[in-house]
Amino acid sequence: NAGVTQTPKFRILKIGQSMTLQCTQDMNHNYMYWYRQDPGMGLKLIYYSVGAGITDKGEVPNGYNVSRSTTEDFPLRLELAAPSQTSVYFCASSYQYNEQFFGPGTRLTVL
Amino acid sequence: RKEVEQDPGPFNVPEGATVAFNCTYSNSASQSFFWYRQDCRKEPKLLMSVYSSGNEDGRFTAQLNRASQYISLLIRDSKLSDSATYLCVVTPTSGTYKYIFGTGTRLKVLA
Repeated sequence: NAGVTQTPKFRILKIGQSMTLQCTQDMNHNYMYWYRQDPGMGLKLIYYSVGAGITDKGEVPNGYNVSRSTTEDFPLRLELAAPSQTSVYFCASSYQYNEQFFGPGTRLTVL
Repeated sequence: RKEVEQDPGPFNVPEGATVAFNCTYSNSASQSFFWYRQDCRKEPKLLMSVYSSGNEDGRFTAQLNRASQYISLLIRDSKLSDSATYLCVVTPTSGTYKYIFGTGTRLKVLA
C-alpha cells in the first residue's frame, strides 16, 4: 500500500492563478480530508468527504473547492490564488472515526 | 475555551529523562483520542491511540481521564529521535466529522 499520496510536493503560483492539488489513497477509506497548516500553527480543516459524491465545508473553505467522484481521489482546487493561501496542504483519510493517515503534503507559495 | 488545548512548550529535556504532556478537551461527548507526532516540515503520523483503560507502547504511555477531560502522554528514557511536535487529537461527537487537533507541544531532547 502506498497509503495517501499527494502531488505536487512543491508549487509556486502567481496571484490570480489556479491549480489543483491531487490526493489519492489506496486503503479504501471512506472519509477524506484537506487541511492547511501555516508556519508554527495547527491544522485547519478546509473540506472533508464521507464518501464518493459527498463533500462538506470545514473551518476555512473560502477560496477552495473539492470534488469526490471516486473513493480513492479527493482533489482540492484553488481558484484565483492569493498570498494568504501560502501554506502547507495535507490530505488525510480514515475509516470512519479511526485514526487519520496523512499524505506528505504540498508546499504552496503564492507570490 | 479552545476545543483542545496543549501547552506549546518547548520542553527541553536531557536524553534519558521522562517527560509528560497533557491535553485538555472541552466536549465531554468526544469519542476517540489520539497522539500524533509531527517532525519539522513533515506530515503528522499516528503515535498511539488513547484508550479509557490507558495503554502503553514501549517507552510511551497514554492515559485518558474522561471525568477531568484530559489525555496525557508519558515518554520514558527520552531519545534524541523523540524530538518533534506532539499533537493531541480528539474525534468528533456524533453528527460531525471534524477531528479536533491541538496546536501541539514541542519537545527537544538534548544530548
